[in-house]
Amino acid sequence: DSGVTQTPKHLITATGQRVTLRCSPRSGDLSVYWYQQSLDQGLQFLIQYYNGEERAKGNILERFSAQQFPDLHSELNLSSLELGDSALYFCASSVREGLSNIQYFGAGTRLSVL
Amino acid sequence: AQTVTQSQPEMSVQEAETVTLSCTYDTSESDYYLFWYKQPPSRQMILVIRQEAYKQQNATENRFSVNFQKAAKSFSLKISDSQLGDAAMYFCAYIREKLTFGTGTRLTIIP
Repeated sequence: DSGVTQTPKHLITATGQRVTLRCSPRSGDLSVYWYQQSLDQGLQFLIQYYNGEERAKGNILERFSAQQFPDLHSELNLSSLELGDSALYFCASSVREGLSNIQYFGAGTRLSVL
Repeated sequence: AQTVTQSQPEMSVQEAETVTLSCTYDTSESDYYLFWYKQPPSRQMILVIRQEAYKQQNATENRFSVNFQKAAKSFSLKISDSQLGDAAMYFCAYIREKLTFGTGTRLTIIP
C-alpha cells in the first residue's frame, strides 16, 4: 500500500458528462501529480500541484482541470467527456516539489465513458 | 519535444536468469533524470530505479541496475536473478521540466 488513496476505483458515465476524481496524498506529502493511462495515448503526465499551487503542466486538455485543497487532497475534474477519455487515471504524491522526486502512486481510477 | 522509445513491446526470461530492457531518449538538455517504473497486474505504478544525468555512476537497487550511456542517450534496465514477481509492464521515463514515458515493455517470467 503506497499510502495514496484514490476514489472512486471505477466510474462509468456517458459522453458529455462531467466527473470528479479524488486523490488523498500520503501523510506529509505536499506534491500531487495526475496521470492518464489509455490504450491510445499510453501513459501521460497531466498536471502537478505543490502545496495548493499549480507547478507543472503536461498534456492536459482544456476540458480537464485540477486543484489541490488546503488539506492537500486533490481533485481532477473532467468535463464534456468523450469516448477517448476512457482511461486509468493515476494520482501520485511526493514530499518535495520537483517532478524528479520519488513519487508514490495510488491504485488509480478506471473511467469508462459510454 | 522529448521522446522516449522502448523498442521491445514484449520480452520473456527464464526464472533466475538475467534480462535487459532497452530505452532510448531524445533530448538536447544535459541535466535531467531518468526513471524506470514497474506496473504489475495490480496496475499500481512502482518506482524501480532512478538515475541523475550528471552522475556517471550507474544506479543500482538490489537485483536491478541500469546501463546509462549519456552520449548515446540510452538507459537500459538489467534485472538479475529474475523472479516471478518481476512480471510486469516496465516503463522508462525522462524527467526535466516535464515527464515523458515510453510505451512500455511487457516482461514475462517463465518458471
